Amino acid sequence: KAGVTQTPRYLIKTRGQQVTLSCSPISGHRSVSWYQQTPGQGLQFLFEYFSETQRNKGNFPGRFSGRQFSNSRSEMNVSTLELGDSALYLCASSLASPLYNEQFFGPGTRLTVL
Amino acid sequence: KQEVTQIPAALSVPEGENLVLNCSFTDSAIYNLQWFRQDPGKGLTSLLLIQSSQREQTSGRLNASLDKSSGRSTLYIAASQPGDSATYLCAGADSWGKLQFGAGTQVVVTP
Repeated sequence: KAGVTQTPRYLIKTRGQQVTLSCSPISGHRSVSWYQQTPGQGLQFLFEYFSETQRNKGNFPGRFSGRQFSNSRSEMNVSTLELGDSALYLCASSLASPLYNEQFFGPGTRLTVL
Repeated sequence: KQEVTQIPAALSVPEGENLVLNCSFTDSAIYNLQWFRQDPGKGLTSLLLIQSSQREQTSGRLNASLDKSSGRSTLYIAASQPGDSATYLCAGADSWGKLQFGAGTQVVVTP
């Protein structure tokens, strides 16, 4: 069974640009969560999607948004990039809910903002 | 707000020694606790998931315990190997399923 895949693996952008990251969950998994990892703040929750609906949201500005498609694939968008957005962005999938099911993480997308 | 703490931040042990990693959390209303390992520059690998109704979980050389009343979880790795060198993270899930992560314990197992 294929694991969680994320594309692209690396991205370099400049301030003010926008970026879209993609995540394909494990087949059969319907919940997708996104996390930001930085050396200073560690891992922080961005949002969770289930059946194309955002079910939960972390404390990030509105520049961070996401969506989920009918096949459970998810995208995350960051607009008006800032230097502080440089981070490893991780997505995780679970069968139905992180409350009851194990979360499996992808390899991440390394975003560098110059 | 749930706060998760992992002490120590770093640990070095000789090969063959047992590893004991600690995780403490402030809110006992935790739904589950999950342990992960992360290799440098990589994503997270799930090790064990303990539901709030459970006291421990085991997988091979790994054993994790959960004590909600004291706000603690411990991950034991028996007979450590150099391949166990990684950063180990614990994360507690709140009632919304949102994971709150600790900062991790960086482990080095020396041959």
